[in-house]
Amino acid sequence: EAGVTQFPSHSVIEKGQTVTLRCDPISGHDNLYWYRRVMGKEIKFLLHFVKESKQDESGMPNNRFLAERTGGTYSTLKVQPAELEDSGVYFCASSQDRVAVRGQYFGPGTRLTVL
Amino acid sequence: KNEVEQSPQNLTAQEGEFITINCSYSVGISALHWLQQHPGGGIVSLFMLSSGKKKHGRLIATINIQEKHSSLHITASHPRDSAVYICAVTKGAQKLVFGQGTRLTINP
Repeated sequence: EAGVTQFPSHSVIEKGQTVTLRCDPISGHDNLYWYRRVMGKEIKFLLHFVKESKQDESGMPNNRFLAERTGGTYSTLKVQPAELEDSGVYFCASSQDRVAVRGQYFGPGTRLTVL
Repeated sequence: KNEVEQSPQNLTAQEGEFITINCSYSVGISALHWLQQHPGGGIVSLFMLSSGKKKHGRLIATINIQEKHSSLHITASHPRDSAVYICAVTKGAQKLVFGQGTRLTINP
């Protein structure tokens, strides 16, 4: 069984540019989460999809961030326009169970650097 | 103050030592998770627990719900155990709230 995959693994862009991160969850996992770790801070929740619907997007920092999960399979997280403070590692995770009884499976992360 | 606090932030020990990492939380939770992240690697879930104790190989995780405290123990530590260990809690449905992590270094 393939794990959670994320693309790209690294992205370096200039301030003001647009970047799109992609997450492919484990097949059959309805729940998909985005998290972010900025330098020196703890990992923080961004949002949670159940299939294609946004269940909780309380962690999205501002309207420069747009997450989609069309068809309830893979998800994209777009940052437009990127700012310096958006630099960090973006993690995606998926789970099968509604209350995550068996935990969440994490992807390897995308390291985003905004110059 | 973070809702999830870990201690210590950094820990260096010699191979073979018994390791304890602590996690305290200040909110009601449905579960507590211990995660591991190797340098340059992804995050791996080690344990998810809501009561008592779980053991997997040389790793043991305990939780005291009344005291809102959990510990992760590593017996007979090995240099390959060097990683960042992260405590996280599930509040309500599924959102994870993370501690800052403990960077563990085991020297040969």
